[in-house]
Amino acid sequence: QKEVEQDPGPLSVPEGAIVSLNCTYSNSAFQYFMWYRQYSRKGPELLMYTYSSGNKEDGRFTAQVDKSSKYISLFIRDSQPSDSATYLCAMSALDTNAGKSTFGDGTTLTVKP
Amino acid sequence: GAVVSQHPSRVICKSGTSVKIECRSLDFQATTMFWYRQFPKQSLMLMATSNEGSKATYEQGVEKDKFLINHASLTLSTLTVTSAHPEDSSFYICSASTLPYGYTFGSGTRLTVV
Repeated sequence: QKEVEQDPGPLSVPEGAIVSLNCTYSNSAFQYFMWYRQYSRKGPELLMYTYSSGNKEDGRFTAQVDKSSKYISLFIRDSQPSDSATYLCAMSALDTNAGKSTFGDGTTLTVKP
Repeated sequence: GAVVSQHPSRVICKSGTSVKIECRSLDFQATTMFWYRQFPKQSLMLMATSNEGSKATYEQGVEKDKFLINHASLTLSTLTVTSAHPEDSSFYICSASTLPYGYTFGSGTRLTVV
């Protein structure tokens, strides 16, 4: 079983919809939680970064972490065609000097105009 | 913000030749960089951790003699795919730790071995 499981998708929504992207994990040592957006043939770019449990909002994006359920989510409000990309969740343990993150397999999102 | 520059973005090489991929941190010092491989529709697979001034740490199953990593300065790490074969064709991505704000990735290199 993988340490990080991500809803596989693909996901197709109309413009303006609210999108929910989700990951579950099994390693209780994970403390740092990240969401990356990756456009085709490009490197991932960091979207959201949270430490421990709670919510974090940045514009149309909201990241939620529920450590008790080992579940994280990324919500996109008023989705736009430019949001069409693959979204990767990633997690790291408290000791991050090694810098290793464990990534989900990604969810491909298409927002149709 | 932090920028990691990766070159080349795309390379085609003949089987048996070697290819070098460079990864530079442009406005910060990166003592540690990471090299990933990504297959189509799959996630990032960590290949190795590159440490400035010391030997790289390779993940299990990654051939260190095939994927040579050099991190000679605080701003440059290189990955050399030696004696490349078609099965080495993939998307290679580097990243540098910019904690506590996550990691900054390069734009990736698509390697095609013919």
